[in-house]
Amino acid sequence: DQQVKQNSPSLSVQEGRISILNCDYTNSMFDYFLWYKKYPAEGPTFLISISSIKDKNEDGRFTVFLNKSAKHLSLHIVPSQPGDSAVYFCAASDIQGAQKLVFGQGTRLTINP
Amino acid sequence: EAQVTQNPRYLITVTGKKLTVTCSQNMNHEYMSWYRQDPGLGLRQIYYSMNVEVTDKGDVPEGYKVSRKEKRNFPLILESPSPNQTSLYFCASSSTWVGSPEAFFGQGTRLTVV
Repeated sequence: DQQVKQNSPSLSVQEGRISILNCDYTNSMFDYFLWYKKYPAEGPTFLISISSIKDKNEDGRFTVFLNKSAKHLSLHIVPSQPGDSAVYFCAASDIQGAQKLVFGQGTRLTINP
Repeated sequence: EAQVTQNPRYLITVTGKKLTVTCSQNMNHEYMSWYRQDPGLGLRQIYYSMNVEVTDKGDVPEGYKVSRKEKRNFPLILESPSPNQTSLYFCASSSTWVGSPEAFFGQGTRLTVV
């Protein structure tokens, strides 16, 4: 039972354009959402997060949007840079209950020069 | 430098031979977790610990054990490894709760059980 889903295993974007990574969740108890970035041979590193009381959070080139009614969130990267090429994991948590992260399958983003 | 250190980075073992993957953090974090990453499945939590001597099962705990005798260390123990435990393992720590932005991950341990 995959509670957090990233339906696109891979995405290819041209340098300078916008990258949009999508994530869907099924558990309505989730109230905190995060994006992690992972390079090969390294552990995931935190990128950006959003609480369910917000619908948008921005940090430099990265913006996360949350649509609670659709149980959908997305990560926008503008402009995309070659160093953004990595695997991106969406994660969710119920901070009122279980103290754990539930991750999606990941999306491999490739930025082409 | 704040870090989570896992050892070993790579391990090939045989079915049934007990092994331990160590995890240590230098940030005085209360919360620590173990995850495994498998193709098409993302990262799944194995066990977590909210503090010394407090551990609980995650989503895929079967075949694993953990202990938390000291705040900085959280070893993952496979008493009798099987080939379906071949995976990439990550340890993580955070200061408040597992989902906090301060969650730090180790570099991973790639385990192959033959």
